[in-house]
Amino acid sequence: NAGVTQTPKFQVLKTGQSMTLQCAQDMNHEYMSWYRQDPGMGLRLIHYSVGAGITDQGEVPNGYNVSRSTTEDFPLRLLLAAPSQTSVYFCASRPRQGAIYEQYFGPGTRLTVT
Amino acid sequence: AQRVTQPEKLLSVFKGAPVELKCNYSYSGSPELFWYVQYSRQRLQLLLRHISRESIKGFTADLNKGETSFHLKKPFAQEEDSAMYYCALAYAGGTSYGKLTFGQGTILTVHP
Repeated sequence: NAGVTQTPKFQVLKTGQSMTLQCAQDMNHEYMSWYRQDPGMGLRLIHYSVGAGITDQGEVPNGYNVSRSTTEDFPLRLLLAAPSQTSVYFCASRPRQGAIYEQYFGPGTRLTVT
Repeated sequence: AQRVTQPEKLLSVFKGAPVELKCNYSYSGSPELFWYVQYSRQRLQLLLRHISRESIKGFTADLNKGETSFHLKKPFAQEEDSAMYYCALAYAGGTSYGKLTFGQGTILTVHP
């Protein structure tokens, strides 16, 4: 199993551009989420999904859109990139059921908006 | 709302010294708490969870509900323990089931 994969690893955008960060998992996990990691702020939840067709907002959703058309994929879209979105983005997945709650993380995407 | 606080951004110790990474939480329900670790150039991974009462790589963490703390401890730090450590709390029910809230993270450096 590849686990959780993310593409691209690095990306530079100009203010106002748009792009999609890709996330895929091959563990048949129902629950997927996107976090951003910023110095001194820890990991903050952007959006999450409890299954195909179901998404919800996290702590910092503004400026980001998501969709979940399949169990495997959970792309994150930046419609109008802003310098404040410069960050490292992590995708994660976990089985919905079970009391253990372990999340499996992708390797991250480092995004710079100039 | 639930919140996780890690008061130390940076923590430096020498090899062989004891280490304690602090974590405090606020949550109205029964907490599910975890420690995640991110080694240099590696992805974030689970270190341990309170429900398992386990010791991983010599680390332990005890949930203290009275003090609302879940501090991570190791009696003898090793250089390979140098990493970013995150404390995390999970919603245990309701529509937010499974959502994780992370603390700000503590960078641990173990000097030779």
